[in-house]
Amino acid sequence: DARVTQTPRHKVTEMGQEVTMRCQPILGHNTVFWYRQTMMQGLELLAYFRNRAPLDDSGMPKDRFSAEMPDATLATLKIQPSEPRDSAVYFCASGPSLLQETQYFGPGTRLLVL
Amino acid sequence: DQQVKQNSPSLSVQEGRISILNCDYTNSMFDYFLWYKKYPAEGPTFLISISSIKDKNEDGRFTVFLNKSAKHLSLHIVPSQPGDSAVYFCAASATGNQFYFGTGTSLTVIP
Repeated sequence: DARVTQTPRHKVTEMGQEVTMRCQPILGHNTVFWYRQTMMQGLELLAYFRNRAPLDDSGMPKDRFSAEMPDATLATLKIQPSEPRDSAVYFCASGPSLLQETQYFGPGTRLLVL
Repeated sequence: DQQVKQNSPSLSVQEGRISILNCDYTNSMFDYFLWYKKYPAEGPTFLISISSIKDKNEDGRFTVFLNKSAKHLSLHIVPSQPGDSAVYFCAASATGNQFYFGTGTSLTVIP
C-alpha cells in the first residue's frame, strides 16, 4: 500500500528557530506539491515540483521559506526563521502527473511556533 | 482574498438523509472544480470533480452540481452514512493554473 510519508508529524518550536519538514513521495511519482492548511485560509499551495525541478513557488514567503528535492525520494520544506503565523498543518502530495485529482496527500506535519 | 469560499464551517445530518455542502467562488475564469474529503490526522483525498462544460456529475452516492451563473457549486451525499463524517474541501482552477481551496466544511453524520 503505497503512501506519502511526512516527518515529523508534529513539531513545536520557538519563534526564530529553523524548521525542516520532510516528505517521501510515492515511488514512481514525478510531481510533488507542498500545501499549508490554516483555519482562516484553508489549503494554500506553497510550491510544486516536477521531476525534482521547481515549477512554481509563488505561494511561499520567499524570505523565510525554501523547498527542495535533493533526490527523487525526498522533498524538504524549510522555514528559517520561523514565526508564530507559520503555525499550520503542512501537507505534501505526490502524483504521477500534474493533474490535481491524481495527487496523493501525506498525513501532514502539524507545526506550532511559540 | 479568498477566491473559493465555504461559508458553513460545520454541518450535522441524520444518517440516511441528504447532506448538502456548498461552495462559492469569485473568479469567473474558474472552469474545473474538485471536492476533497479529509479525515482527522490524514491528508485530503480526492472525491469528485466537475468541468464547467457540465452542470452535474455523479459518482455513486456523491453528486456535484455546478451553477456557473451563480458561481456556486454543491456536493450532495445521499444517503449520508456515519463514515461520511469528515471535513470536505472544494477547490477550483482556471485550466492549466493552480487550484484554490476553500476553508472546508466539517460534516457530522449522526447515527
